[in-house]
Amino acid sequence: QVQLMESGGGLVKPGGSLSLSCAASGFTFSDQYMTWIRQAPGKGLEWVAYISSGGSIVYYADSVKGRFTISRDNLKNSLYLQMNSLRVEDTAVYFCARGGNRMMDHWGQGTLVTVSS
Amino acid sequence: SYVLTQSPSVSVAPGETARIACGGSNIGSKSVHWYQQKPGQAPVLVVYNDRDRPSGIPEQFSGSNSGDTATLTISRVEAGDEADYFCQVWDSSSDHWVFGGGTKLTVL
Repeated sequence: QVQLMESGGGLVKPGGSLSLSCAASGFTFSDQYMTWIRQAPGKGLEWVAYISSGGSIVYYADSVKGRFTISRDNLKNSLYLQMNSLRVEDTAVYFCARGGNRMMDHWGQGTLVTVSS
Repeated sequence: SYVLTQSPSVSVAPGETARIACGGSNIGSKSVHWYQQKPGQAPVLVVYNDRDRPSGIPEQFSGSNSGDTATLTISRVEAGDEADYFCQVWDSSSDHWVFGGGTKLTVL
């Protein structure tokens, strides 16, 4: 069965950096677009970024463009999100999901990122 | 940028039908996806491409999309259907995915 497991969340100061990972299993990772979505505490869902199956196509939300970088390693079946220049408003649970050029049909359980001084 | 509008809450009695609307300019020309999220859990896809159901999603869940409104319909509502529901579309003018603000379904 499809499994997605995020890791790397934690507490970071404003202006700091953090790197998230998402380990995928149960499907052919290299065939699938992948996406990061976040959810601030008590708020709705916000799309962050997606990456094509081969990694050549990436799109970012305006709120993170220039600060976040999505990438993938198809040999390791892993998706990444490098987050720099973090702001208080980046505090959220970050989900990875399968899909991006179409619906997101499987989601991980999420990892919490807290940006606070 | 494209905006999706959802009512914050909908309440329905058990066994009744819940209709959750998602408004957007000419949304009928886009493919709408719907996600269910229960407290403390990850979202689950319940309807995609306006009206298709992923495997494992019961027939209670259906969708429609026309004009400026897409609708998720949940028939014979049960207590277990209580959750937040989010609509989603791809905005090709900005190359962004857009989510609605979410609707909290309460089963009375």
